[in-house]
Amino acid sequence: DTGVSQDPRHKITKRGQNVTFRCDPISEHNRLYWYRQTLGQGPEFLTYFQNEAQLEKSRLLSDRFSAERPKGSFSTLEIQRTEQGDSAMYLCASSYCPGTSVCETQYFGPGTRLLVL
Amino acid sequence: AQTVTQSQPEMSVQEAETVTLSCTYDTSESDYYLFWYKQPPSRQMILVIRQEAYKQQNATENRFSVNFQKAAKSFSLKISDSQLGDAAMYFCAYAPDKVIFGPGTSLSVIP
Repeated sequence: DTGVSQDPRHKITKRGQNVTFRCDPISEHNRLYWYRQTLGQGPEFLTYFQNEAQLEKSRLLSDRFSAERPKGSFSTLEIQRTEQGDSAMYLCASSYCPGTSVCETQYFGPGTRLLVL
Repeated sequence: AQTVTQSQPEMSVQEAETVTLSCTYDTSESDYYLFWYKQPPSRQMILVIRQEAYKQQNATENRFSVNFQKAAKSFSLKISDSQLGDAAMYFCAYAPDKVIFGPGTSLSVIP
């Protein structure tokens, strides 16, 4: 078990460009989550998937953001027409949810740090 | 609304001493998990300890233990024999499904 991995670890882009991040969860985990964390703050929930289905999206997730998990394994988070306010750490986490009770512990990846110039 | 509150933005502790970080949360759920995560500067979020809401017994993990008061919706973390490596941001979190984080407590350990 190699844990949750994210790629890239750092991304610098110019305002208006599109960026895409990838997350590979722990293999047996059926839930995958995306969070955003700004400096000095706790992570804020963005969205999550149960297998390939996107079950919840936060109001923080504007129309410029889209997330996919096409085969229920890895996930991508795309930000279109980036703005300086998008600069943050984007965290991915995964867990196993048995369906009949609360989900088990979420394990986090190292994050992708985005800087929009 | 589900919220998590950490009333101590910063704490410090002398090496080898004990420190307690406070956390309260608000929920109408009866079954959930509570967590303490540790995040060293520019490093990965690491699970410190976990508590299932249906368990009355407080969780312990080596030098880390919690005081879980379900009726009061309180979940404090005690770190015993503090070490320099304990210095980090500590987040209290609540999870019925997605994780809801508190604002964090920055812990400094003084040699």
